[in-house]
Amino acid sequence: DAGVIQSPRHEVTEMGQEVTLRCKPISGHNSLFWYRQTMMRGLELLIYFNNNVPIDDSGMPEDRFSAKMPNASFSTLKIQPSEPRDSAVYFCASSLAGLVNEQFFGPGTRLTVL
Amino acid sequence: AQSVAQPEDQVNVAEGNPLTVKCTYSVSGNPYLFWYVQYPNRGLQFLLKYITGDNLVKGSYGFEAEFNKSQTSFHLKKPSALVSDSALYFCAVSLNTGFQKLVFGTGTRLLVSP
Repeated sequence: DAGVIQSPRHEVTEMGQEVTLRCKPISGHNSLFWYRQTMMRGLELLIYFNNNVPIDDSGMPEDRFSAKMPNASFSTLKIQPSEPRDSAVYFCASSLAGLVNEQFFGPGTRLTVL
Repeated sequence: AQSVAQPEDQVNVAEGNPLTVKCTYSVSGNPYLFWYVQYPNRGLQFLLKYITGDNLVKGSYGFEAEFNKSQTSFHLKKPSALVSDSALYFCAVSLNTGFQKLVFGTGTRLLVSP
């Protein structure tokens, strides 16, 4: 099993540009999560999907952030326009739905906004 | 509000000595508790979880955790630390929302010296 796949692994962009992060969950998993990790705020849940439907997006910082899951094997997190304070490591995780099931994390995308 | 606390930012231990990384929780109802480990430039990896039953849970890489309901704690332990155990450790609790949503602690950095 390839695990959760994220691309790109590193992204450097300039303020104001659009950034799209991609995630392929583990096959068969029906829950998907987007997290952001920074030194200041630690690990934050941005949004999560169940069966491709967004369940809770209360962690999305503002309207500049959007996430989609068009099918069970693909999700995107988009930032438009990007700002320097968006610089962070963004993780995607997937799991089987249910309170007792562990999440499997991807390797992350390190985003730097100049 | 449901939450977890990791009171120590860093734990230092000599190789071969036992280690403990502390976690306390605050939840309504029965807690589902998890430990994850993050190595440098990697995503989080699942170590172990407590759902119900035996208070001592065994996990990956020789780690175990003890659930203590009266003290609302879920401390991570290992009898003999290895230098390779040096990493960032996160405690998490699953919210009883009907869908799996983890709330993570702030993380504890474990440093094992040779």
